Amino acid sequence: AQSVSQHNHHVILSEAASLELGCNYSYGGTVNLFWYVQYPGQHLQLLLKYFSGDPLVKGIKGFEAEFIKSKFSFNLRKPSVQWSDTAEYFCAVNAMRGSYIPTFGRGTSLIVHP
Amino acid sequence: EPEVTQTPSHQVTQMGQEVILRCVPISNHLYFYWYRQILGQKVEFLVSFYNNEISEKSEIFDDQFSVERPDGSNFTLKIRSTKLEDSAMYFCASRLAQTGELFFGEGSRLTVL
Repeated sequence: AQSVSQHNHHVILSEAASLELGCNYSYGGTVNLFWYVQYPGQHLQLLLKYFSGDPLVKGIKGFEAEFIKSKFSFNLRKPSVQWSDTAEYFCAVNAMRGSYIPTFGRGTSLIVHP
Repeated sequence: EPEVTQTPSHQVTQMGQEVILRCVPISNHLYFYWYRQILGQKVEFLVSFYNNEISEKSEIFDDQFSVERPDGSNFTLKIRSTKLEDSAMYFCASRLAQTGELFFGEGSRLTVL
């Protein structure tokens, strides 16, 4: 079964700082990868996804993530965060064989100070 | 934009009571899920539902839990006799394809006293 690790549980940044949130997964086969965001009081919504092709994927609100297969990683980045990026961020992995159940990481709480 | 809706948003119950959490998935979606998140912990898979039956369930989803899709639109999670450790945020999700993105509801916060 696959598992997902998000090593940063709490991140505090000032506006305009750069962001990188780590996500590593354990599964040897083909995967679909996702980053979801949960703004305070709202539901989880998709930030970006990787299915195949260019390993650098761009999502909404200036976020991007890079899939590095050799490192089993799918780190989320944003060059300059805004106060409105304050939210909980979840990485998820969906194996493409066997169980198709998406597995989530623990989440990273991001607080951006204005 | 179509969305997944969940009710109630917050429920407080006494230990041992039955609880039903309701979800209305996006209408043309075929795969339905319940996840939960205990405060400070990761989002955990409970159960998936497809073609009117459970397709997969986790170890958490024991005999105290059940799911139903009684009328083709609602998708319910029932906890027969709640325990303190059932206190969590329960998320319903649906998707059109087995490998596509999940669309989540806003969650139902369950507090068991």
